[in-house]
Amino acid sequence: DVKVTQSSRYLVKRTGEKVFLECVQDMDHENMFWYRQDPGLGLRLIYFSYDVKMKEKGDIPEGYSVSREKKERFSLILESASTNQTSMYLCASSLGTGGYTFGSGTRLTVV
Amino acid sequence: KQEVTQIPAALSVPEGENLVLNCSFTDSAIYNLQWFRQDPGKGLTSLLLIQSSQREQTSGRLNASLDKSSGRSTLYIAASQPGDSATYLCAAKTSYDKVIFGPGTSLSVIP
Repeated sequence: DVKVTQSSRYLVKRTGEKVFLECVQDMDHENMFWYRQDPGLGLRLIYFSYDVKMKEKGDIPEGYSVSREKKERFSLILESASTNQTSMYLCASSLGTGGYTFGSGTRLTVV
Repeated sequence: KQEVTQIPAALSVPEGENLVLNCSFTDSAIYNLQWFRQDPGKGLTSLLLIQSSQREQTSGRLNASLDKSSGRSTLYIAASQPGDSATYLCAAKTSYDKVIFGPGTSLSVIP
């Protein structure tokens, strides 16, 4: 089974900090995704990548950037964390038009 | 524009009951339909993936069906157990990089 690993389960950061969320998958999937999940708003796509060094904006990219230097790793960067970025962040990967595999999530709190 | 809805939003059943969760989508041009389970504070766990050419998939006590012509998928859970309590989400894949998630059904199985 494909495994998607998110480096942190819980993070607490201060307003204005630069925050890195890391995601690694172990089955050579070309597509990787970052979502955030908030009560009442469901899952919203932040960024995705379909190849190394390639990235595409999702529905809510403002305040975020991403990096994909290696196929297995997709990083989400909060350039200057704000309290409205407090959320559950979910990473996923997929192969072609196949199904998604999600990581266990990172609960980020910005104070 | 693809929209995915799930009915009911919440469901409470006694242990041992068979139950059906419903998922509807507006555009039948999908690559696949995936069912996920999410426990509180956790990531999404894939339960079943139905490709557009398939009618159903089964895993243990779970059976998912897909009817593209009517824009519906159902998740059948047999002999429900308290451990089945979770939120169940369906997701319709409309392109290699686009998945539309439903809002989820919160299931509670009462011992």
